[in-house]
Amino acid sequence: GENVEQHPSTLSVQEGDSAVIKCTYSDSASNYFPWYKQELGKRPQLIIDIRSNVGEKKDQRIAVTLNKTAKHFSLHITETQPEDSAVYFCAAFLSGGYNKLIFGAGTRLAVHP
Amino acid sequence: DTAVSQTPKYLVTQMGNDKSIKCEQNLGHDTMYWYKQDSKKFLKIMFSYNNKELIINETVPNRFSPKSPDKAHLNLHINSLELGDSAVYFCASSSGGGSLHFGNGTRLTVT
Repeated sequence: GENVEQHPSTLSVQEGDSAVIKCTYSDSASNYFPWYKQELGKRPQLIIDIRSNVGEKKDQRIAVTLNKTAKHFSLHITETQPEDSAVYFCAAFLSGGYNKLIFGAGTRLAVHP
Repeated sequence: DTAVSQTPKYLVTQMGNDKSIKCEQNLGHDTMYWYKQDSKKFLKIMFSYNNKELIINETVPNRFSPKSPDKAHLNLHINSLELGDSAVYFCASSSGGGSLHFGNGTRLTVT
């Protein structure tokens, strides 16, 4: 079945630095890759996503890249701020009747002022 | 105007009891899900319904029984609760293209 691996599990950066989180997926039929941010005690919320026909997408300080051949995708956060501190989840969507979104194990990002 | 609402927010109960969690979405989505988030924050899919039809059952014990009376509602009933069932349960919905909208979660504590 589909498997999503996410690294690192924890990431600590200084305010203003960049943060990168990497994921790999196993099923080449996956065609949609969202990223979710979950603050403490809250629900996961979509922050950016990318479809398999696109290699890169940017939204202000966050960007996502996708390498379909290698089955890798990454989240890049620039100019990090303390409010970026949260758990970030990557996910891969398997369609074709399954409609299943499989999550990575999460990365706990801490941004220190 | 909460998009995906689930109740209750907290549920504390004893082993062996039966409990239910309710979920409703007003987004007009066709697909609804239940995810379980354990203490290590891992989000694991449990069930998926599309237009009231079960399409995913991820080897969840049959003590867990989802019910979808219509495409806007997906409830979860749990029989004979066990300590290991303690977790946060998230309901979610999507239009089928992949992007999930989550409810605020139900924190279940089994003592």
